[in-house]
Amino acid sequence: DIQMTQSPSTLSASVGDRVTITCRASQSFNSWLAWFQQKPGKAPKLLIYKVSSLESGVPSRFSGSGSVTEFTLTISSLQPDDFATYYCQQYNTYPLTFGGGTKVEIK
Amino acid sequence: EVQLVESGGGLVQPGGSLRLSCAASGFTFSSYEMNWVRQAPGKGLEWVSYISSSGSTIYYADSVKGRFTISRDNAKNSLYLQMNRLRAEDTAVYYCAKTRTGTTSHWGQGTLVTVSS
Repeated sequence: DIQMTQSPSTLSASVGDRVTITCRASQSFNSWLAWFQQKPGKAPKLLIYKVSSLESGVPSRFSGSGSVTEFTLTISSLQPDDFATYYCQQYNTYPLTFGGGTKVEIK
Repeated sequence: EVQLVESGGGLVQPGGSLRLSCAASGFTFSSYEMNWVRQAPGKGLEWVSYISSSGSTIYYADSVKGRFTISRDNAKNSLYLQMNRLRAEDTAVYYCAKTRTGTTSHWGQGTLVTVSS
């Protein structure tokens, strides 16, 4: 199984900040990496797929990058609606595996 | 608009059984792979099971293999998860998710399963 390790687990930031979340995989794979946003009591929402492809309707302040075993989600200018928990997911092979999550809190 | 509506969750005793359902609409259900993903209270996301569009290919997480059975009825646009020999550690919100280009692109609102005596 591919293990996904996210960091940091919690991040305190202010509106307007640039935020970066990292996801490291236990083995390399080809681009099948997605990012999700989850708010309390709600289902996860797909933001980014195939490392850097923006899901339809997702603001352009969200971007993804990376390759091999290290991937990042960047929010260029944090907005009030962005305070949430973020998860990476590899879908290169089953079992699908998720990172442990990064909670973005208000500073 | 894609809609996925889970049902069938509830309180069950350890060792008991539940059958979850997921009603799909807004897309051609028979053309898409589907997954179940769960989230224990206050914890992260854990993939549970996958089924191909025809139902011919199925995968399970090791934690549920031999106890859970995924199935689908394409004529009824429905996905199911039969859960037997439930344990306390199966307590979670269970989400069904439509798969597009390999990832879980759309999720239902989830149904809570609580395993407790």
